[in-house]
Amino acid sequence: GQNIDQPTEMTATEGAIVQINCTYQTSGFNGLFWYQQHAGEAPTFLSYNVLDGLEEKGRFSSFLSRSKGYSYLLLKELQMKDSASYLCAVMDSNYQLIWGAGTKLIIKP
Amino acid sequence: DAMVIQNPRYQVTQFGKPVTLSCSQTLNHNVMYWYQQKSSQAPKLLFHYYDKDFNNEADTPDNFQSRRPNTSFCFLDIRSPGLGDAAMYLCATSRDGFSGANVLTFGAGSRLTVL
Repeated sequence: GQNIDQPTEMTATEGAIVQINCTYQTSGFNGLFWYQQHAGEAPTFLSYNVLDGLEEKGRFSSFLSRSKGYSYLLLKELQMKDSASYLCAVMDSNYQLIWGAGTKLIIKP
Repeated sequence: DAMVIQNPRYQVTQFGKPVTLSCSQTLNHNVMYWYQQKSSQAPKLLFHYYDKDFNNEADTPDNFQSRRPNTSFCFLDIRSPGLGDAAMYLCATSRDGFSGANVLTFGAGSRLTVL
């Protein structure tokens, strides 16, 4: 079966750096997405990786290793507004999106 | 601004009483999706339309139906809601469902409560 694993919850301090990991096992690979979802709101797109390596976008960076079936989302200079769930999703060979359950990130002052 | 709009944001219904949720988009995207999301769970795809072509997920109960009368609008009908159908229902769109960089744009969601 297809599977996405990410930690259920993480806690970090305002101003710090946090890394949210995602491992996947899917039928083929056509890219990996990270979405941010604030409580009670819709997911919003953060990043897309299809090649190995690091993609940087402001305070957020996303890394992919296809051979290891692994990605991480790196958040720097954490702000209170970064408190949210972060969803990892992989597009398989049939262009179907396989979603993880999300990592709830709690930011403390 | 181009966007995806869902109505109503909150819907309360009684067990077995039909419900219709609506979604409209101004992005002129070809693909529209309906997802069900329960607390702390991954979004679960119910069905999607590629233009007028309807695609039902194999495990979507018959209780859930959908209509897409035109490019801009899509509806989710729950014929006889049960307690287990209480969830957030998310509508999303994408320009093309068959490319890797297929970014989804979500509406704000409709939260369904079943009494």
